[in-house]
Amino acid sequence: AQSVTQLDSQVPVFEEAPVELRCNYSSSVSVYLFWYVQYPNQGLQLLLKYLSGSTLVKGINGFEAEFNKSQTSFHLRKPSVHISDTAEYFCAVTRLTNTGNQFYFGTGTSLTVIP
Amino acid sequence: AAGVIQSPRHLIKEKRETATLKCYPIPRHDTVYWYQQGPGQDPQFLISFYEKMQSDKGSIPDRFSAQQFSDYHSELNMSSLELGDSALYFCASSRRDRANEIYGYTFGSGTRLTVV
Repeated sequence: AQSVTQLDSQVPVFEEAPVELRCNYSSSVSVYLFWYVQYPNQGLQLLLKYLSGSTLVKGINGFEAEFNKSQTSFHLRKPSVHISDTAEYFCAVTRLTNTGNQFYFGTGTSLTVIP
Repeated sequence: AAGVIQSPRHLIKEKRETATLKCYPIPRHDTVYWYQQGPGQDPQFLISFYEKMQSDKGSIPDRFSAQQFSDYHSELNMSSLELGDSALYFCASSRRDRANEIYGYTFGSGTRLTVV
């Protein structure tokens, strides 16, 4: 079985400061990792994903994440946040095979950017 | 590019009523998934269909049923609605290639169901 742990439920950060949202996963098999952003009363928007290849993945809106297999982590980072980045962020894992293709989500991290 | 379309966007129902949510996958996608996200919760997998057959089952209550039709759209039927069913219901779609790998997994914007 796969699972995702987002270590911080709430992260306040000042505008233009850097931010890191932490995500750890557990799985006995190879998995694919995703970060989604959800703005208030809206759906899930894909920020970035790791399927294979380079462990540093760049996404939209200036976000990036690094896959670390030895630490089973996929932390999300942005060097300088904007007010518009205030949202809920979900880390998710899946196997993307015909026998294991549902997504398992973390409990989310609420990012609040302070002016 | 075409996305996953869900209808309606918002739905208000009374307790014990029924509701039907619809999901139209991306063209050429053969698999549909349903997720439920309660207030302040992470999305939870309900059920999925591949080529019109149920392929995986999660935490879907017995009061709910779903199916995938010949045009690959899917409907989630919810009966005897309870207050606790108020949530955002996401649909996602994907396609499977000849090697049975999954591609193009995309979420819709969701249907917000409010039970009063």
